[in-house]
Amino acid sequence: KAGVTQTPRYLIKTRGQQVTLSCSPISGHRSVSWYQQTPGQGLQFLFEYFSETQRNKGNFPGRFSGRQFSNSRSEMNVSTLELGDSALYLCASTTGGTGYEQYFGPGTRLTVT
Amino acid sequence: AQSVTQLGSHVSVSEGALVLLRCNYSSSVPPYLFWYVQYPNQGLQLLLKYTSAATLVKGINGFEAEFKKSETSFHLTKPSAHMSDAAEYFCAVILNDYKLSFGAGTTVTVRA
Repeated sequence: KAGVTQTPRYLIKTRGQQVTLSCSPISGHRSVSWYQQTPGQGLQFLFEYFSETQRNKGNFPGRFSGRQFSNSRSEMNVSTLELGDSALYLCASTTGGTGYEQYFGPGTRLTVT
Repeated sequence: AQSVTQLGSHVSVSEGALVLLRCNYSSSVPPYLFWYVQYPNQGLQLLLKYTSAATLVKGINGFEAEFKKSETSFHLTKPSAHMSDAAEYFCAVILNDYKLSFGAGTTVTVRA
């Protein structure tokens, strides 16, 4: 089975711009979660989608949003980028059942200048 | 809210020596616990998970972890370190939702 894929792998944006990141989960997985990883804050949960509905949300401002499509692929969007949004954004998928183990993609490295 | 604490941000071991990474959790109910490994410029790879079926959990690459409720711990061990074990390791906890809460991570270096 193919793993979780994320595109693009690297992005450079300017402050004030917006960005969209994409995640394709493992085939058959219906839950997709997003995490932000920075040296200062570590790994932080952004949000989780299941069957096109946001089921859980972390403590991030409204500039961070996401969605999930009927094929379980997910996108996250960050509007009005700030320097502090520079991070590795990780997507993880799981079946959505009781196993809870999440499988991660390689991440998208976002640099805001 | 549940959380995990990883003791020691850096661990240095000799090749062939025991690897011991410490993780303590705070939860009033038995949680689901995980260990992940991250190699440079990569995502996280699941090493093992505890889901109450057995207290001693065996994972990939020769790693295992023991759940001790009395100590609220879930320490990760490997009897003999290999150069390829050099990476960052994260302990994580989840209750009955899908919000993984991670520890700060422990970087392992392996000396030849």
